[in-house]
Amino acid sequence: GAGVSQSPSNKVTEKGKDVELRCDPISGHTALYWYRQSLGQGLEFLIYFQGNSAPDKSGLPSDRFSAERTGGSVSTLTIQRTQQEDSAVYLCASSPRGYGYTFGSGTRLTVV
Amino acid sequence: DQQVKQNSPSLSVQEGRISILNCDYTNSMFDYFLWYKKYPAEGPTFLISISSIKDKNEDGRFTVFLNKSAKHLSLHIVPSQPGDSAVYFCAASATGGGNKLTFGTGTQLKVEL
Repeated sequence: GAGVSQSPSNKVTEKGKDVELRCDPISGHTALYWYRQSLGQGLEFLIYFQGNSAPDKSGLPSDRFSAERTGGSVSTLTIQRTQQEDSAVYLCASSPRGYGYTFGSGTRLTVV
Repeated sequence: DQQVKQNSPSLSVQEGRISILNCDYTNSMFDYFLWYKKYPAEGPTFLISISSIKDKNEDGRFTVFLNKSAKHLSLHIVPSQPGDSAVYFCAASATGGGNKLTFGTGTQLKVEL
């Protein structure tokens, strides 16, 4: 597609359940980023994939969060045993290089 | 520890006037700064950027000013248009940071007719 695609656009889950969020980056973009925006907060960096290099996971808030990127393309962010504080909009972005991010529309996660 | 701060959560401006959005940062290692614009239910879109070797960058109606000594940058929009109504995020990055961006909390701009 022409842009970064994220699914689902909205997800409501019960506390304690696991969720998977998907990101389809722009074809050919080697870098992929996950950010989240909690209510009233700025975008918070979570994880960054660049080509075949080891991902930068320095922003993941706890070991309940993990992400993978298969074949240098699609990425999945997994949150295990969700908590209410995980409620946020999760944004994925990709770039060919540098800071030229293109963001997806995000997944709004609500943990009830 | 908020390294990038946008102290004004909202700003209202009349159409045709100048909009000035401000951003302050604390990390002296930041050397590249960007502004993003976000409409509801959409992802942020890149607007304009500036490197620390410059103090001004202009693109059409948008100009970003950087004051390194004050650790302050601002985005000027002139003339403001109703379609500019959106949330504006300031972001910063440091060389060697792997292209990670540190974002501010955003300023909601409303351009009124």
